[in-house]
Amino acid sequence: AQTVTQSQPEMSVQEAETVTLSCTYDTSESDYYLFWYKQPPSRQMILVIRQEAYKQQNATENRFSVNFQKAAKSFSLKISDSQLGDAAMYFCAFRGGSEKLVFGKGTKLTVNP
Amino acid sequence: NAGVTQTPKFRILKIGQSMTLQCTQDMNHNYMYWYRQDPGMGLKLIYYSVGAGITDKGEVPNGYNVSRSTTEDFPLRLELAAPSQTSVYFCASSLPVTYEQYFGPGTRLTVT
Repeated sequence: AQTVTQSQPEMSVQEAETVTLSCTYDTSESDYYLFWYKQPPSRQMILVIRQEAYKQQNATENRFSVNFQKAAKSFSLKISDSQLGDAAMYFCAFRGGSEKLVFGKGTKLTVNP
Repeated sequence: NAGVTQTPKFRILKIGQSMTLQCTQDMNHNYMYWYRQDPGMGLKLIYYSVGAGITDKGEVPNGYNVSRSTTEDFPLRLELAAPSQTSVYFCASSLPVTYEQYFGPGTRLTVT
């Protein structure tokens, strides 16, 4: 079974600085999708970014980018120019050949003014 | 466009009571999911459906039942509520091509 590990329960960053959240996963599949979701205090789960495993190019969405290392099974999220509104729980998720998403336990990001 | 809606937002149940959490999506998504999120944890899959009339168990199905009679609706039924079912429940839907899941706002359930 696939597993997703987020080794940083909590992270903090100064406003306008850059922070990287780590995620590793375990799978024997070669074709899969990876996602980062943001969960602010409102509890709403918001998709931040997605990466298809067959694409070598790292996904980017405005201030959010990923470092996808397929051989190392690593999928980190970089947030540039951090803003107060970025404060949230961030969840890494994996989707392989089944219809299911497997989530990590999350990283709580605090943004300090 | 409402997306994924869930009702109720909050509910307190007594041990042994039953209830149904409602979930509706208006995006014509084939796939729908129910998750629970315990404090400080990620989401765990309870049940999912790949289309009307088709459901399957996820990681933590015990104590729950689902049905999928239409594309839009995917209700989750709790029978004989137990304190261990105190959690936040999320419904989600997705298309089979992109796999991006769109989540509802969640239902906070307390069983006492």
